[in-house]
Amino acid sequence: NAGVTQTPKFQVLKTGQSMTLQCAQDMNHNSMYWYRQDPGMGLRLIYYSASEGTTDKGEVPNGYNVSRLNKREFSLRLESAAPSQTSVYFCASSWSSGANVLTFGAGSRLTVL
Amino acid sequence: GNSVTQMEGPVTLSEEAFLTINCTYTATGYPSLFWYVQYPGEGLQLLLKATKADDKGSNKGFEATYRKETTSFHLEKGSVQVSDSAVYFCALIPNSGNTPLVFGKGTRLSVIA
Repeated sequence: NAGVTQTPKFQVLKTGQSMTLQCAQDMNHNSMYWYRQDPGMGLRLIYYSASEGTTDKGEVPNGYNVSRLNKREFSLRLESAAPSQTSVYFCASSWSSGANVLTFGAGSRLTVL
Repeated sequence: GNSVTQMEGPVTLSEEAFLTINCTYTATGYPSLFWYVQYPGEGLQLLLKATKADDKGSNKGFEATYRKETTSFHLEKGSVQVSDSAVYFCALIPNSGNTPLVFGKGTRLSVIA
């Protein structure tokens, strides 16, 4: 009964380094999302994938790329990390992009020095 | 556009006190409305929802009523417990199609014994 699994849980990067956050869901959901959470800013949508093979920009896509590898997996890549990308990242999934219930992962805390 | 405005926190209450967290929204048409909760160190999870005007969502002693005339969806609980300490997010989905959830900035609640 894993739900949404994110890796890694914690990561420290230096400015300019690259990394990929991995997300996998085992609920056969069609839609997947990446959010970032910052103090005083709430959750902001970075990218989402309404269905396998599609991706769309959210509110704050700059500096990120995503890949919907298959129905289960949706990765978020930082090509050249910046201190402004220090945040907690959450992956989520749902039956559809208009569905009202999202299942969230436990989060990945990223620090960029 | 679509947006959600929540009262700023943090909110600190004594155990058994009455809780209200205000939420108002801006949306075209008639959105569905939600409250999500984030317990320390975890991802968000759905607390309750309402999909049409005058609906009341309820769960775990929390309630919220969809008020179209005031575009509000305030969260209430009659007697809070220490275990209710968390961050609460109001959210909406527009009724215009496959659009992801729009979240408010969150309100942190601390309940002290």
